[in-house]
Amino acid sequence: DGGITQSPKYLFRKEGQNVTLSCEQNLNHDAMYWYRQDPGQGLRLIYYSQIVNDFQKGDIAEGYSVSREKKESFPLTVTSAQKNPTAFYLCASSTPPTEPHQPQHFGDGTRLSIL
Amino acid sequence: GEDVEQSLFLSVREGDSSVINCTYTDSSSTYLYWYKQEPGAGLQLLTYIFSNMDMKQDQRLTVLLNKKDKHLSLRIADTQTGDSAIYFCAERPNQGGKLIFGQGTELSVKP
Repeated sequence: DGGITQSPKYLFRKEGQNVTLSCEQNLNHDAMYWYRQDPGQGLRLIYYSQIVNDFQKGDIAEGYSVSREKKESFPLTVTSAQKNPTAFYLCASSTPPTEPHQPQHFGDGTRLSIL
Repeated sequence: GEDVEQSLFLSVREGDSSVINCTYTDSSSTYLYWYKQEPGAGLQLLTYIFSNMDMKQDQRLTVLLNKKDKHLSLRIADTQTGDSAIYFCAERPNQGGKLIFGQGTELSVKP
């Protein structure tokens, strides 16, 4: 079955450490997205990518970095510059806006906590 | 600017109808969505409506869109305990494919 796989499900970060969250999709979608979810605040967009080797900052990109070397993969690195990284991180994918509409599909999320 | 507002909590009895409301601000939004999130899980798409429609029905779900008032609602008929979850409304502005989410409404269904 096609879908989006996020790993790991739980991740712990030490002070000063960078950590990378994995997101892989086999839906053949061009566009991929990273969201951060905090209690009572809904989802906020961190970074998105409409096509391989291209990505744009979302609303809260500071302290995060991404790469898009393959269509199937869009890893998110939470750097030590992100001072409040504890949150639930969700990855999504969709067809690009230029194509007939399909909604965004989401992975099951990664919960990141500080040690 | 872009903003989506939802009430945070709703409690209903099993078998009753639930109505979750949402207001949005971007009149250029092309699509509006309802997602469901169960504890510790990702978001599951429930339904969506194109901005030129007033209503969409899918089994127990009915979506109503009042474009003039920028108001969207999700009605769940015969609500079951398995419907207990957080429901997110989202809009897709005309530019780009990103979504703007509301804060989510936590639906609690009591037996």
